[in-house]
Amino acid sequence: DQQVKQNSPSLSVQEGRISILNCDYTNSMFDYFLWYKKYPAEGPTFLISISSIKDKNEDGRFTVFLNKSAKHLSLHIVPSQPGDSAVYFCAASRAYNTDKLIFGTGTRLQVFP
Amino acid sequence: DTEVTQTPKHLVMGMTNKKSLKCEQHMGHRAMYWYKQKAKKPPELMFVYSYEKLSINESVPSRFSPECPNSSLLNLHLHALQPEDSALYLCASSQVIAGGLGEQFFGPGTRLTVL
Repeated sequence: DQQVKQNSPSLSVQEGRISILNCDYTNSMFDYFLWYKKYPAEGPTFLISISSIKDKNEDGRFTVFLNKSAKHLSLHIVPSQPGDSAVYFCAASRAYNTDKLIFGTGTRLQVFP
Repeated sequence: DTEVTQTPKHLVMGMTNKKSLKCEQHMGHRAMYWYKQKAKKPPELMFVYSYEKLSINESVPSRFSPECPNSSLLNLHLHALQPEDSALYLCASSQVIAGGLGEQFFGPGTRLTVL
């Protein structure tokens, strides 16, 4: 049973445009969410997180939106750059148990010139 | 130093071999983790150590044996593995903060192949 789902396995975006990566979760106990980026042959790199008390968190070109009622979060990258091409994982946990991250299946983003 | 290092990068072993994976961090993090990642799948948590004590074992078979000799080091001892154990093994570390644990920093992983 996949508690965190990324239904788009891949996404292709032109440089300079917005990339929107989506993530859905089923467990209503989750209240802390993270996005990681992974290049080939490297471990995941933390990008941005959001707590359920917020609906938006912004860090430079990266913004994460959380819709608790829909159990949905999204990562917006504006403007997209070729160096953003990677696999993006969303992850979720329960705040009192943040040692146990549940990862989504990942979305491969390709940003082309 | 904001890095988690893992050795070796690649490991090929037979089903009767005994080998160890090593992980090291010098960020002062007091929580360390082992994950297993199969191709085209998300990382799956195996073990968590908090303050050098095992706090989570996700029902991992005993042929995987973790060890945390000090706050900077984490080992995963492997014995009598099966071919289906072939995967990328990721180590991570995080701070222990009020209310839980902080964001996890991952190493590059060890690509394990069991013949």
